[in-house]
Amino acid sequence: GAVVSQHPSWVICKSGTSVKIECRSLDFQATTMFWYRQFPKQSLMLMATSNEGSKATYEQGVEKDKFLINHASLTLSTLTVTSAHPEDSSFYICSARDYGLVGNEQFFGPGTRLTVL
Amino acid sequence: AQSVTQLDSQVPVFEEAPVELRCNYSSSVSVYLFWYVQYPNQGLQLLLKYLSGSTLVESINGFEAEFNKSQTSFHLRKPSVHISDTAEYFCAVSGRYYNQGGKLIFGQGTELSVKP
Repeated sequence: GAVVSQHPSWVICKSGTSVKIECRSLDFQATTMFWYRQFPKQSLMLMATSNEGSKATYEQGVEKDKFLINHASLTLSTLTVTSAHPEDSSFYICSARDYGLVGNEQFFGPGTRLTVL
Repeated sequence: AQSVTQLDSQVPVFEEAPVELRCNYSSSVSVYLFWYVQYPNQGLQLLLKYLSGSTLVESINGFEAEFNKSQTSFHLRKPSVHISDTAEYFCAVSGRYYNQGGKLIFGQGTELSVKP
């Protein structure tokens, strides 16, 4: 149980285009999902917290107009990188929290590798 | 606010040797503690967690970690490592209370490299 999927697993796009990444909790309801960014050989940087049916809460320094997050249902959150540029190239990872579980454990998706040319 | 420090960025060891990956945290509130493992180009997998009760927690693949409140540490140990344990390991902390949002604060990561 507690499986989180991400789609696509990798994407290459031209500078200036927008890219949408989906994060799904497959076998549980996730009232809260988190989006992280990870640079090579570095830790995860939390970008935003997404609660179902409400606006995402962005961490300091993360541009909300650049990284649009939508959490329309209890099993799906999307991250759209708008007008992507090469500096947006990174590994994006989502996670989901099972509301019924004690302990704030997060279940992570496999990640999406974004390369902007 | 919480913070996590992983004292070693890289730990090279030989196969079948014991290993300890160190993790210290700071927090003004009670916390939950986690160790996650990340294999190349993959997401994170939970290795073990401390929520309450016994301060020694174990994983199914031989890792264990001990919560030490006085030293604010949660070091990860394995008595005999395998080549397949080669990965990046992240220590993380989360505040216990719902109004803290359930965020995980990660350490910088420790790259465990097991050599034959």
